[in-house]
Order: sequence, then structure tokens, then C-alpha cells
Amino acid sequence: AQTVTQSQPEMSVQEAETVTLSCTYDTSESDYYLFWYKQPPSRQMILVIRQEAYKQQNATENRFSVNFQKAAKSFSLKISDSQLGDAAMYFCAYRSLPNAGGTSYGKLTFGQGTILTVHP
Amino acid sequence: NAGVTQTPKFRVLKTGQSMTLLCAQDMNHEYMYWYRQDPGMGLRLIHYSVGEGTTAKGEVPDGYNVSRLKKQNFLLGLESAAPSQTSVYFCASSYVWTSGIYEQYFGPGTRLTVT
Repeated sequence: AQTVTQSQPEMSVQEAETVTLSCTYDTSESDYYLFWYKQPPSRQMILVIRQEAYKQQNATENRFSVNFQKAAKSFSLKISDSQLGDAAMYFCAYRSLPNAGGTSYGKLTFGQGTILTVHP
Repeated sequence: NAGVTQTPKFRVLKTGQSMTLLCAQDMNHEYMYWYRQDPGMGLRLIHYSVGEGTTAKGEVPDGYNVSRLKKQNFLLGLESAAPSQTSVYFCASSYVWTSGIYEQYFGPGTRLTVT
């Protein structure tokens, strides 16, 4: 079974600064997908960025980028030029590819979450 | 296009009562999931479905049942609610893998309190 660990329960950053959220995972699979989801106070889960394990290039979406270290099983999220609207809970999540036995039809395994506070 | 919707948004139950949470999606997704979110534990999978008429257990299925009689709907039932089922419940759906779109789309959540 896969596990995802976010070791930072809370992080804070000044507006316009850069912050990095950590995520590590454990798996024996070679192909999989990794995601960062944002959950603002509204509770809505919003996809921030995704990374395919077979791609060596780190994913980037505007101010959000990841540092994907497959051998180290690490998947950190960097937020540049932080904005007040970035304040939220952030979840790292792992998704397996489907397997022949049908035991993994794409369920997500989540980390515990990191609460990000942005100070003006 | 409403995406994924959940009914109700809030509910308070007494121990032993039953209820059904409804999830509906209008994206023609094959896969649907029910998760629960508890403080410090992230989201955990309760049950999931890979198509109309099929369901399977996730990590924490005890005390819950599900049904998927129509492709667009996925129901989560609590037959006899317990305080340990106080949580926020999320429904999610996704395309099949061959679509090349791998993310799950989430509903707004249901906050359930069992007293």
C-alpha cells in the first residue's frame, strides 16, 4: 500500500515571498501520478498541479512548481510570489495506475495536509 | 455544467439514525469515489465505483454502504450513525485512464455531525 507524508502541519509566508511545502511518499510502483490540491476555507478541493512519474521534467503552473525527486520519493510544492489568496490547506496526493487485478482504479492516497498562512 | 454536486451540504444526526448522501456528476465520468476528511488525517477513501452497477470497498468502509444505480449518481448510506462518523464527506469523479485526464474532480463536501 502507498503512503503519503506531509511533515509540516503548518507553514507561513510573507506576501510576495516564496514558500516550499514538503511531501514524501512510499511506493513500490514505477508508474504513478502525484498531485497537489488546495483546499481554501470554502472546503472545495482545487487541483493545483500534477506530475507524471515517468516524466523527469518538473511540472509548472504559473506561480506553482514542483521539485520531483523520484529516487528520493519526494514531491515538494514551491509557491512563488505568494498572494493572500494562496492561504489554504494543501494536500499532496498519490494516484496509482489501474492494474490487471482491478484493485486500484485510480483512488487517491492523501497526505495529512499543510495549512499555509500568508501574511500581508 | 455543474461538475460534481453533493446533497446535503450540512447535516446533524443523532446516534442510530440513518441517512443517505447523494453525489451527482454531469461530466459522464466512469469512476466515482467517496472520501471522508478528518483533522490531521487527510482524506481517506470509503468506497468507490468503476461504473454503473459496480462498487468496491476503500480503506475505511465499515458502517457505510453505497450504490450506483445510475452512471451519474453515487449514493453513500449510513444505516446506523455513530459519533465516529462525524466528518466532512467528499465525493469525487474522474474519467477512465484511457482519456489521458488523470485528476479527480471533487464536490463541495458535506459536513456531518453525529451527536
